[in-house]
Amino acid sequence: EPEVTQTPSHQVTQMGQEVILRCVPISNHLYFYWYRQILGQKVEFLVSFYNNEISEKSEIFDDQFSVERPDGSNFTLKIRSTKLEDSAMYFCASSENRYEQYFGPGTRLTVT
Amino acid sequence: GIQVEQSPPDLILQEGANSTLRCNFSDSVNNLQWFHQNPWGQLINLFYIPSGTKQNGRLSATTVATERYSLLYISSSQTTDSGVYFCAVEVWGAQKLVFGQGTRLTINP
Repeated sequence: EPEVTQTPSHQVTQMGQEVILRCVPISNHLYFYWYRQILGQKVEFLVSFYNNEISEKSEIFDDQFSVERPDGSNFTLKIRSTKLEDSAMYFCASSENRYEQYFGPGTRLTVT
Repeated sequence: GIQVEQSPPDLILQEGANSTLRCNFSDSVNNLQWFHQNPWGQLINLFYIPSGTKQNGRLSATTVATERYSLLYISSSQTTDSGVYFCAVEVWGAQKLVFGQGTRLTINP
């Protein structure tokens, strides 16, 4: 069964550094998303992406985040100037029809 | 924005018991999904159920969209059912899922 993959599974970075999280959505899916989950909290939406454009973004997105689809298979999330409070699990998701979303296994980001 | 409330927040059961998890939402939705977050943090799709009833093995779900709630039923619980169950909804016109706080289910042997 096709699945969303994410790399790396765990990333440790120092405060102030930039990180790039990578995702490979399911191959025939056209809608892509990033979410994050701070430890012990609920999953929160960051951004949705369709047809090489951002469809919707959260209030915090512009402060530190950007997304790219650098080729036909990858979808990346860049976090600029990381802060301690950016430590979280970051999930990529994709959807074929803009409805049911399939989530990847997540990247655990630790900012020290 | 839409509010999503899940109950109960915590549930502890013995293996073999049945359980019902509830999700209430404050606005009309065009998407509702149930997820199981396993101990490794992965979000596993259980159901895509904006309305109606679905069953998959020991799990079933019902969404009554007009009354703005969804129920997840787990029968004959197993220890592997332990974890956090999330309900997530998407309102018409939006392109994002809004998650509830989750129900933490613990199944003891």
